[in-house]
Amino acid sequence: GDSVTQMEGPVTLSEEAFLTINCTYTATGYPSLFWYVQYPGEGLQLLLKATKADDKGSNKGFEATYRKETTSFHLEKGSVQVSDSAVYFCALSGGSGNTGKLIFGQGTTLQVKP
Amino acid sequence: DTAVSQTPKYLVTQMGNDKSIKCEQNLGHDTMYWYKQDSKKFLKIMFSYNNKELIINETVPNRFSPKSPDKAHLNLHINSLELGDSAVYFCASSQGYQNTGELFFGEGSRLTVL
Repeated sequence: GDSVTQMEGPVTLSEEAFLTINCTYTATGYPSLFWYVQYPGEGLQLLLKATKADDKGSNKGFEATYRKETTSFHLEKGSVQVSDSAVYFCALSGGSGNTGKLIFGQGTTLQVKP
Repeated sequence: DTAVSQTPKYLVTQMGNDKSIKCEQNLGHDTMYWYKQDSKKFLKIMFSYNNKELIINETVPNRFSPKSPDKAHLNLHINSLELGDSAVYFCASSQGYQNTGELFFGEGSRLTVL
């Protein structure tokens, strides 16, 4: 079945450092890809998305490009802030094998220190 | 004005008890979901309903029974609680279910079974 794999956390960075969180997926068909963020004590919220190959999703300084050739959707930010500390989830939906479901990776905790 | 609201936010109970979690969305969405997040932050879909009709039931034990009285509400009742049911339960909604786009999550209900 469809699946998402993220890099193990926690990721600890100093403020203004460059961030990459790796995400790869396995899916048949043409899934849409998402990054969700969960701040402490809150529910998840959509950060960005891409619906087809080579699309770039971006929001709040975060970017991710849908790479079909490498089945990846890595999250990047040029300069992180303490307020970016959260758990980040890569997810996919709409693959041939998972109609009606959003499938999440295991989450990556980001800690940004001042 | 919370878009997806869950009650209660915290629930502490003894093994063997029965408990319910309620969810309401005011976004006018047709589809609602229950997700379970374990202690390692892993998120797994449990159920989804579209216009009060059950669409997804992910091999969840029969002790879990969702109920959707109307498309704005999706409640979760759990019988004979077990230690392994301790988790954070998230309700979510979306506009459609065929190729789920953005999901809107509630803040979660943390269930602790003693």
